[in-house]
Amino acid sequence: QKEVEQDPGPLSVPEGAIVSLNCTYSNSAFQYFMWYRQYSRKGPELLMYTYSSGNKEDGRFTAQVDKSSKYISLFIRDSQPSDSATYLCAMSAMGAGGTSYGKLTFGQGTILTVHP
Amino acid sequence: SQTIHQWPATLVQPVGSPLSLECTVEGTSNPNLYWYRQAAGRGLQLLFYSVGIGQISSEVPQNLSASRPQDRQFILSSKKLLLSDSGFYLCAWGPPADTQYFGPGTRLTVL
Repeated sequence: QKEVEQDPGPLSVPEGAIVSLNCTYSNSAFQYFMWYRQYSRKGPELLMYTYSSGNKEDGRFTAQVDKSSKYISLFIRDSQPSDSATYLCAMSAMGAGGTSYGKLTFGQGTILTVHP
Repeated sequence: SQTIHQWPATLVQPVGSPLSLECTVEGTSNPNLYWYRQAAGRGLQLLFYSVGIGQISSEVPQNLSASRPQDRQFILSSKKLLLSDSGFYLCAWGPPADTQYFGPGTRLTVL
């Protein structure tokens, strides 16, 4: 079983829709959670970063973490064609000294297409 | 602000040839540095990471190697490329104990 599971999609939605992207994980040591957006043939771009359960909002994007269920989500409101990309979740564990090792475990990525 | 560079952007190499990919970071000091490979339609595979000059940790046994000759320079090498080495190579940097920021990547095709 993979440490991080992410539905690869592809996911196709109309412009203006609310998009929900999800990841589950099995390692309870994961404490830092990130979402990256990757356009075709480009490097991943950090979208959201959180380390606590609950919601974090940034413009049209909301990251949600539920540590009790080992489940994280990214919501995109009013989706736009420019949101069409692959979305990767990533997680890292907290070391014994209270700091992350800096090593990330990624999901496989979800391919999202927003059509006009 | 911090900037990460990778070159070359694309590379086509014959099987058995050597490889050298370079990554440099500007605007920060003592970053953690990482090399990843992304095969088509697959996730990111961590190859190497470094927490300081000359300090390299390997995650996956393979015919690749990495070096960090300077604080903000990270090099990925191979003496003899295999077909299976084809992929999208990404360099990333991170503040110690924090998240990671990726470069633009190098697309390698081994023929």
